[in-house]
Parts: sequence; structure tokens; C-alpha cells
Amino acid sequence: GAGVSQSPSNKVTEKGKDVELRCDPISGHTALYWYRQSLGQGLEFLIYFQGNSAPDKSGLPSDRFSAERTGGSVSTLTIQRTQQEDSAVYLCASSSTGGFYEKLFFGSGTQLSVL
Amino acid sequence: DQQVKQNSPSLSVQEGRISILNCDYTNSMFDYFLWYKKYPAEGPTFLISISSIKDKNEDGRFTVFLNKSAKHLSLHIVPSQPGDSAVYFCAASRGSQGNLIFGKGTKLSVKP
Repeated sequence: GAGVSQSPSNKVTEKGKDVELRCDPISGHTALYWYRQSLGQGLEFLIYFQGNSAPDKSGLPSDRFSAERTGGSVSTLTIQRTQQEDSAVYLCASSSTGGFYEKLFFGSGTQLSVL
Repeated sequence: DQQVKQNSPSLSVQEGRISILNCDYTNSMFDYFLWYKKYPAEGPTFLISISSIKDKNEDGRFTVFLNKSAKHLSLHIVPSQPGDSAVYFCAASRGSQGNLIFGKGTKLSVKP
């Protein structure tokens, strides 16, 4: 597709369960980012992938969060043993080379609700 | 500790008037600033940016002003249109970092 695609668009889960969120970046984009937006908050950086370099995981809030990017394209964000405070919109973005002054193209996000 | 602050959670403006959205930052190492616009149920979209070597950048109805000494930037929209109603996020980056630091956003409502 032409834009960043995220699935599912909505996910409701029970506390303690694991969830996987998927991101398909724009074809050819080498940089991929995960952000989340909790209610009333700004966009919180989680993790950044750039080509074959080691990802910048400095924004992951706990070791329950992990992400991988297979083949330099699709990325999966996994949250283990979900907690209610994990409820947020999880946004994925990509940029063509990850140059620091490039604009990011965002997907529509996954609304995660932990009951 | 918030490095990028948007102190006004909402702003209401009459169509045709000027909208001014403000953003303050604390980290003097930031050297690039961006504004993103977000409609409900959509991801943010890039609007306009400015490098720290400039104090103004204009693109059509949108102008961003940067005051480095005050660590303050603002987005001016003139004339405002109802389609501009959205949440506007200010973001900043440092040359050595690969991620953007976002503010909490300001919800702009433009009344017809």
C-alpha cells in the first residue's frame, strides 16, 4: 500500500495476556519507529529501527515490551503480561532513510485496551 | 521531565482569523523542530519544520517562528479554516538522536 499500515486497528485484551501489534512500513523506507499515546499525553517514543543497525530501545518502558523487525520491513511490537497502564494508541512510523531531519509517515495506530 | 511543552490543551478560533499555537522546550541541544497535525482515528501527518539556524519558515497559510533565546516556537495559521480543526503536536530532535520528542498537543477548533 501507499502508506504505513498497522494491524489490528483495535485490540481488547485481559490483564496478564500477551499481545502482538504489527506494522507494515512504506515500501523502501529503512527507518521504522514505534510511539504510543496514552490518554491526555503526547507521543511517547518506544523504539527505533534503522536498516541493519542495532535498534534504539531506549524508550521501552519495561522488559515486558519488545519489538523486532524482520527482513528490514515488517515490525512486530510485543507486550507480555499486559497491564492496564499499557492501554494506549500504539503508533508506527517510517521514514525513507532515518535521517534525523526527515519527516515521519505515521500509520493510523492500534488502540489497545487492557481490561 | 517534559522536554517539549504545549501548555494550552485547546484553542478555539473563528474562521478567517489567525490561530497561534505555542510550544516551549527545555533542551538547548535541540536543533530541529517540527509540527504535526492529527485528525481523530488517523496518524499524525507532517505539517512544517524549522531548523535552529532559522527563525522563520513559511509554507502557504502556515508559518513557524523560532525564538532560540526564549526556547519557544509558535505555529501561525492564517487565515484559519474549519478543516484546520485537529490536534497539533510540536516535536523536537537533536542531531545525534534518531527519534522525535513530542509535546502533549493542542486541540484547535476553528468555528465557521
